[in-house]
Amino acid sequence: AQSVTQLDSQVPVFEEAPVELRCNYSSSVSVYLFWYVQYPNQGLQLLLKYLSGSTLVESINGFEAEFNKSQTSFHLRKPSVHISDTAEYFCAVSDLNSNYQLIWGAGTKLIIKP
Amino acid sequence: DTGVSQNPRHKITKRGQNVTFRCDPISEHNRLYWYRQTLGQGPEFLTYFQNEAQLEKSRLLSDRFSAERPKGSFSTLEIQRTEQGDSAMYLCASSPSGGPTDTQYFGPGTRLTVL
Repeated sequence: AQSVTQLDSQVPVFEEAPVELRCNYSSSVSVYLFWYVQYPNQGLQLLLKYLSGSTLVESINGFEAEFNKSQTSFHLRKPSVHISDTAEYFCAVSDLNSNYQLIWGAGTKLIIKP
Repeated sequence: DTGVSQNPRHKITKRGQNVTFRCDPISEHNRLYWYRQTLGQGPEFLTYFQNEAQLEKSRLLSDRFSAERPKGSFSTLEIQRTEQGDSAMYLCASSPSGGPTDTQYFGPGTRLTVL
């Protein structure tokens, strides 16, 4: 069965520094990959997703993630974080084995230090 | 478009009581999902509806849990004879057509505390 691992429960980083949030999944069967973000006191919202094509996908607020099939990874990166990026970030995967239901990681809290 | 709404936002109940939560999806979204999220974990899929039909239930969903979506609009999730282990955030999401690449739009959740 598919599983998703987000090894870092918290990532503290200084404002304007780069950040990488790691996501690995277990099954390399054809997958769809998602990053959702939860800002304080708000519901989950889609940040970006990989469906097919270019392995690098970008969000409107400067985040990007790269699908790496050989590493079964979908790490999220931003070259320069802002205080407004403070949130919890969840990686999710769907595939045929999960009947295309989303399988979620445990989340990573991004803590921006001023 | 007011987004997905859930009521109540918080519910405190005593063990053994029944509780019901409501989810109002984005209008014209055909698919509706229920998830459960416990502290330090990501959401866990419980069940989903395509219009009014409940198409899949997770093995996590015990017989004490029941969900409905009459007329394919709002949905309710009922938990009978609540247990302390039911304490969690219950999330509802909707999507336009339910395809595997669809974006799911989440509500703010209902936090259940069972004493």
